[in-house]
Parts: sequence; structure tokens; C-alpha cells
Amino acid sequence: DADVTQTPRNRITKTGKRIMLECSQTKGHDRMYWYRQDPGLGLRLIYYSFDVKDINKGEISDGYSVSRQAQAKFSLSLESAIPNQTALYFCATGDNYGYTFGSGTRLTVV
Amino acid sequence: GENVEQHPSTLSVQEGDSAVIKCTYSDSASNYFPWYKQELGKRPQLIIDIRSNVGEKKDQRIAVTLNKTAKHFSLHITETQPEDSAVYFCAASMTFNKFYFGSGTKLNVKP
Repeated sequence: DADVTQTPRNRITKTGKRIMLECSQTKGHDRMYWYRQDPGLGLRLIYYSFDVKDINKGEISDGYSVSRQAQAKFSLSLESAIPNQTALYFCATGDNYGYTFGSGTRLTVV
Repeated sequence: GENVEQHPSTLSVQEGDSAVIKCTYSDSASNYFPWYKQELGKRPQLIIDIRSNVGEKKDQRIAVTLNKTAKHFSLHITETQPEDSAVYFCAASMTFNKFYFGSGTKLNVKP
């Protein structure tokens, strides 16, 4: 189901480049999140937003920024990508019954 | 903030056996504990959850138990099948606004 859509699905970029990962949702949820998944480290929270005017840093926000363009859209930017930002990135929306994750963006920084 | 620890990191069982994954949490204010299953190449999906006013919850072959005093909760899968092979994540939340995830358990069910 396409209720939380992430683009692109895969991306290879060079060190120092700026890159944006996009997320849109049709769930109607106010809460949106960006997580990073690395093997053995689980899902770590980068940024989260509870509405368009609310942006909060998560556990590992350094090197990242976000923009909540609308209730349905939440973008993650890497201003100057570095190799240790190579990971699988998930967007999620949430309500009082849990999260719905997007399909993920696999980012490789070379 | 909350700290969630999950064990084991990998678990291999024979088809038909049971599997148990355990998590501990640090903040006694946490009151909602979901479990997510992530199949290879796919997104994590909620499979079962438990709230702090309940000690156990079952859904067919899966069950979750919660011990608030000890601050730990566990996922139990009975009669495992090859399609149960996946990475499982536990999580804890105080307000539903933010979930703290464990590091994941890779379950391999051998036919």
C-alpha cells in the first residue's frame, strides 16, 4: 500500500553533495518521523514533527536537516553527505496505535 | 531518554519450535510496547502490541508478555514457520509521540 511513500528508493551520491529524501503520506497523521537503520543498531530517530510548525531533533540529528512542507510532506536533507551516512532511511507517520513506515530509501555515499 | 535493550541479536530455530525475544526498558513511565517485523527488503510492520495495564496479549501464534516491575517484555512465537524468518524490533513509548526501538533480532527458521 502507498500510504507512506518515500522517494527515491535507492540513491548513490558523492561525498560533499547535498541530497534530499522525500516522504509523503495519505494517512492524515500529524506526526511524522525520520529514522535511520544500520545493521545491529536498530532504528535511530533523526528528526520528528508533530505538526507543520513543530520540528524536533532526535537522537542523531547532526549532519541532517528537515522540512515539513505540509501535513502530508516531510523531507530529510543531508547538507554535505559523508560516507558514514550510508544507511537505510525510513520515514514514518504515527498515531495512538503505532507507526506506519514507508518503504525506505537506501542511501550510499561514496 | 528511554533506553531499550533487545536480546538476542540473532536467533535460529527449527521449524515448529518456539522462539522468544526479550527486551528491557529503562523508564518506568513507558506504557506502550509494540513489536515490529521487518522482512528482507521490506518496511517494518506492527505485529502485536501491549499496553502497561495488561500483562499478556495473544494473537494466534504470537504473544507478548510484560513485567512492569522488572521493566521487561517479551515476544513469543510458537510453532514457528519459515515465513516467520525476519528481523523483529521491540519498542517502548511513554506518550505515543516517540518510540524508542531495540537493536533488532534476526530470526531464522530452518525448514
